[in-house]
Amino acid sequence: AQSVTQLDSQVPVFEEAPVELRCNYSSSVSVYLFWYVQYPNQGLQLLLKYLSGSTLVKGINGFEAEFNKSQTSFHLRKPSVHISDTAEYFCAVRLQGGKLIFGQGTELSVKP
Amino acid sequence: DTGVSQDPRHKITKRGQNVTFRCDPISEHNRLYWYRQTLGQGPEFLTYFQNEAQLEKSRLLSDRFSAERPKGSFSTLEIQRTEQGDSAMYLCASSPRDSEGLAGNYNEQFFGPGTRLTVL
Repeated sequence: AQSVTQLDSQVPVFEEAPVELRCNYSSSVSVYLFWYVQYPNQGLQLLLKYLSGSTLVKGINGFEAEFNKSQTSFHLRKPSVHISDTAEYFCAVRLQGGKLIFGQGTELSVKP
Repeated sequence: DTGVSQDPRHKITKRGQNVTFRCDPISEHNRLYWYRQTLGQGPEFLTYFQNEAQLEKSRLLSDRFSAERPKGSFSTLEIQRTEQGDSAMYLCASSPRDSEGLAGNYNEQFFGPGTRLTVL
């Protein structure tokens, strides 16, 4: 069965510092991978996705992620975070039919 | 441009009562998904529809849960005889149908704001 593991439940970081949120997946077939962000009391918003092609994927709000097939990872990065990036971040893998399997989430807390 | 809407946004009920949630997808999106998110966890897939047909149900969806999409537009999720363990955020998402196997044609799922259920 396919699964997603987010290695950090909480990541505190200072404003303007770089950040990496880690995600590993398990799959025996080709994968489509996603990162979503959830702000308090809101639904999920797509940050970026990997479907095929270049392993470095750029998304909204300055985020990017790198697909690493050998390490089965899809880590999310941002070179300089803002207070407004404080939110919950979810890594997900898409299965046949379109349903998404999510990781447990990483709470990013950006401090001034 | 109206996104996915869900109603109500919050529901508090007593154990044993029935509740029903509604999801209105983006117009012309023929796929509709339901997920459940408990505190501190990622969303878990419950079920999905293509038009009015319910194509898959998770084992999480016990006999007390039923979902419908009678005209292929809005969907309802009903929970009968609620239990405290049903307390969660129920998320709905919609997308256009994509072409399986053609990665470039994948269509994003757009999520609604969710319905937060509290069972006392």
